[in-house]
Amino acid sequence: QKEVEQNSGPLSVPEGAIASLNCTYSDRGSQSFFWYRQYSGKSPELIMFIYSNGDKEDGRFTAQLNKASQYVSLLIRDSQPSDSATYLCAVNGGGGGNKLTFGTGTQLKVEL
Amino acid sequence: EAGVVQSPRYKIIEKKQPVAFWCNPISGHNTLYWYLQNLGQGPELLIRYENEEAVDDSQLPKDRFSAERLKGVDSTLKIQPAELGDSAVYLCASSPRTSGDTQYFGPGTRLTVL
Repeated sequence: QKEVEQNSGPLSVPEGAIASLNCTYSDRGSQSFFWYRQYSGKSPELIMFIYSNGDKEDGRFTAQLNKASQYVSLLIRDSQPSDSATYLCAVNGGGGGNKLTFGTGTQLKVEL
Repeated sequence: EAGVVQSPRYKIIEKKQPVAFWCNPISGHNTLYWYLQNLGQGPELLIRYENEEAVDDSQLPKDRFSAERLKGVDSTLKIQPAELGDSAVYLCASSPRTSGDTQYFGPGTRLTVL
């Protein structure tokens, strides 16, 4: 079982719709959770992080965390073609060390 | 604020040759990471430095890979000799002391081994 799992996609949504990206993790001791956006040929760019159960909103982005279900998601409202990218979920397993384990990413395509 | 700087951006070498990558982290960031990213995969940690100390190198293939961060700022990652399977993107990231697990990535070095 992979430590951090994401559906590779592609996930296609029409412009203006809500894109929902999901991630599950196996380490119950995980403390912090991150979403990175990676455009083709570019490096990962941090867009959101969340530490506590519930929702965290930042502009058009909302991160949702449910530690009991070991589930973290990213919602993108009013999706734009510029949101088309691969979204990487990363988890810090805790226990000290600031070691992030990344999923393989979900490719998002926002269609006109 | 300048981001993480890496060089070179691209490198093509023949197998069995040595190669080195350089990274300059964001100013004031004491933690530096080297990752490897294969196509279609997420980044995988190779080594993590806290200042000049390598605190996690468990995933670094020590038979051919080495790294250093002598003055706790810049870092170099070396491969000698390179193998075909080392073709990948090598990413450097850094994080500040105040939020140690919030990592910021450099542009990466794309290595092709022929």
